[in-house]
Amino acid sequence: AQKITQTQPGMFVQEKEAVTLDCTYDTSDPSYGLFWYKQPSSGEMIFLIYQGSYDQQNATEGRYSLNFQKARKSANLVISASQLGDSAMYFCAMRENTNAGKSTFGDGTTLTVKP
Amino acid sequence: NAGVTQTPKFRVLKTGQSMTLLCAQDMNHEYMYWYRQDPGMGLRLIHYSVGEGTTAKGEVPDGYNVSRLKKQNFLLGLESAAPSQTSVYFCASSYRLGLDQPQHFGDGTRLSIL
Repeated sequence: AQKITQTQPGMFVQEKEAVTLDCTYDTSDPSYGLFWYKQPSSGEMIFLIYQGSYDQQNATEGRYSLNFQKARKSANLVISASQLGDSAMYFCAMRENTNAGKSTFGDGTTLTVKP
Repeated sequence: NAGVTQTPKFRVLKTGQSMTLLCAQDMNHEYMYWYRQDPGMGLRLIHYSVGEGTTAKGEVPDGYNVSRLKKQNFLLGLESAAPSQTSVYFCASSYRLGLDQPQHFGDGTRLSIL
């Protein structure tokens, strides 16, 4: 069974609007961390935001926020006020405490911001 | 601010040739990883290391070998390259302590096997 599922292969959003990228995960470990990374067309991987399984509040970093619903095992990324430079591939990833040496990545969502 | 450096950036090989990809990090990270990324897909873990002298298999280890003789370096070897190994290879590193430690990635190596 896939541990990280990103169901949206591609998304479009109008510039200046908000967009939500979905991520669901599967784990039996009570302690885990969830990450979002951005991969622009240039290819590098950029860390965006982190959410811990015991964090009481949703993580925020500038225009990025994470809508964490633990019971539903979802960790959706919300990008507010989209910019053209947000066009990229976005990956959700998980790191479990029982195997902290490994991270599991989803297949990614390609976001295109329209002017 | 070097971070994670991968060498080479591009390489074309013929089927059956061997080569080694080098990853070097200057952040004193304990964990290091090798991933491959095929077109339109996510990252798949090949091998990883939790410390100097240790390595472990990831999701897709077949056809690859790794070594971590020094803490700062993680080598990925292809003994007999096959066209199915055409991919972009990413090295990453992270601190050991704390689930909140993100991975730091190199810029990738684009490898084509003819």
